Amino acid sequence: NAGVTQTPKFQVLKTGQSMTLQCAQDMNHNSMYWYRQDPGMGLRLIYYSASEGTTDKGEVPNGYNVSRLNKREFSLRLESAAPSQTSVYFCASSEVSSSGANVLTFGAGSRLTVL
Amino acid sequence: DAKTTQPPSMDCAEGRAANLPCNHSTISGNEYVYWYRQIHSQGPQYIIHGLKNNETNEMASLIITEDRKSSTLILPHATLRDTAVYYCIVRVNQAGTALIFGKGTTLSVSS
Repeated sequence: NAGVTQTPKFQVLKTGQSMTLQCAQDMNHNSMYWYRQDPGMGLRLIYYSASEGTTDKGEVPNGYNVSRLNKREFSLRLESAAPSQTSVYFCASSEVSSSGANVLTFGAGSRLTVL
Repeated sequence: DAKTTQPPSMDCAEGRAANLPCNHSTISGNEYVYWYRQIHSQGPQYIIHGLKNNETNEMASLIITEDRKSSTLILPHATLRDTAVYYCIVRVNQAGTALIFGKGTTLSVSS
């Protein structure tokens, strides 16, 4: 029962480098999300995908791009990493119930350091 | 501008009930109350959610006031492993599809 799988778990980049964080879910959920969490802070929404083929900006989208590759996979790309993007990144997925409740399942996180 | 207000921190003795309050005075009639927790730096873990009625599952109980302006998460017999940050969430983004997190309550359970 893998749930939501994120890779890599840890990554160190130099300023200006690019990289892609991968996320895959095996629960057949329609919606997927990327959040970031800075030290001592709550989670902030970067981008989300309500369904396959759609993506939308969240609270802090600047400096990021996303791709909903298929129903299972949702990737987050940093084109030119900056030290301000040092953070822990969490991917999540969900399916809205018939009653309207939206319960998210989170991955274990990807810790990114930009030097 | 989170729609919830939680105390920054709380303490609880092991084996006692932990009662975590949350104020959400501007909640709309169709908005759910969700509770998650985050242990150390792990991914947030879903605990429970409710709309109007009190709810109970194997992890916790959720008590929502009749006017829905506040709620309480109850961990009936707290253990050291319940030490975590607990998030009460009612806010979603404009599209209604994503949960918006606040800063939560840090619960410290001690022996």
